Amino acid sequence: AQSVTQLDSQVPVFEEAPVELRCNYSSSVSVYLFWYVQYPNQGLQLLLKYLSGSTLVKSINGFEAEFNKSQTSFHLRKPSVHISDTAEYFCAVSEVGGGADGLTFGKGTHLIIQP
Amino acid sequence: NAGVTQTPKFRILKIGQSMTLQCTQDMNHNYMYWYRQDPGMGLKLIYYSVGAGITDKGEVPNGYNVSRSTTEDFPLRLELAAPSQTSVYFCASSYSRQDGYTFGSGTRLTVV
Repeated sequence: AQSVTQLDSQVPVFEEAPVELRCNYSSSVSVYLFWYVQYPNQGLQLLLKYLSGSTLVKSINGFEAEFNKSQTSFHLRKPSVHISDTAEYFCAVSEVGGGADGLTFGKGTHLIIQP
Repeated sequence: NAGVTQTPKFRILKIGQSMTLQCTQDMNHNYMYWYRQDPGMGLKLIYYSVGAGITDKGEVPNGYNVSRSTTEDFPLRLELAAPSQTSVYFCASSYSRQDGYTFGSGTRLTVV
């Protein structure tokens, strides 16, 4: 069975500074990897995903994540954050060829942008 | 498109009461899921369905029941509500496992 560890429960960062949110996963088979964002009092929204191919994936709002198989990591980065990026970020994993019982989510990282 | 619609948005229940959380999607997705979200704990899978008439238990199914009579609807039933069921409940759907999920806006339930 797969598992996900988000190493930081909270990450404070100043506006316009770079940020990295860390995610490590555990699985004995190939995986699909996802990052979701949850703004206050809203549901989760898909930010980006890795299925196969290029290990660097990007979102439309400037975030990117890199799949590192040897490190079993899928860290999320943004070179310059904005106050509107304040949200909870969840990393999730699904095993390729696995059952239909859905994604396994990490516990989330709260990104706090300070002006 | 409305996407995934959950009702109600908020509810307060007394211990021992029952209720149904409604979830409907208009994207013709076969896969549907119910998760609960507790502070600092991420999301835990309660039940899921791969199509009309087919449901299965997730990680934390005790105290809940589901049905899937149509592709669009996937209601979650709480019988004999307990304080441990105080949580935010999210319904989600997907076309395939690779697509990722579309989430509803959630139901915040308090059991007192």
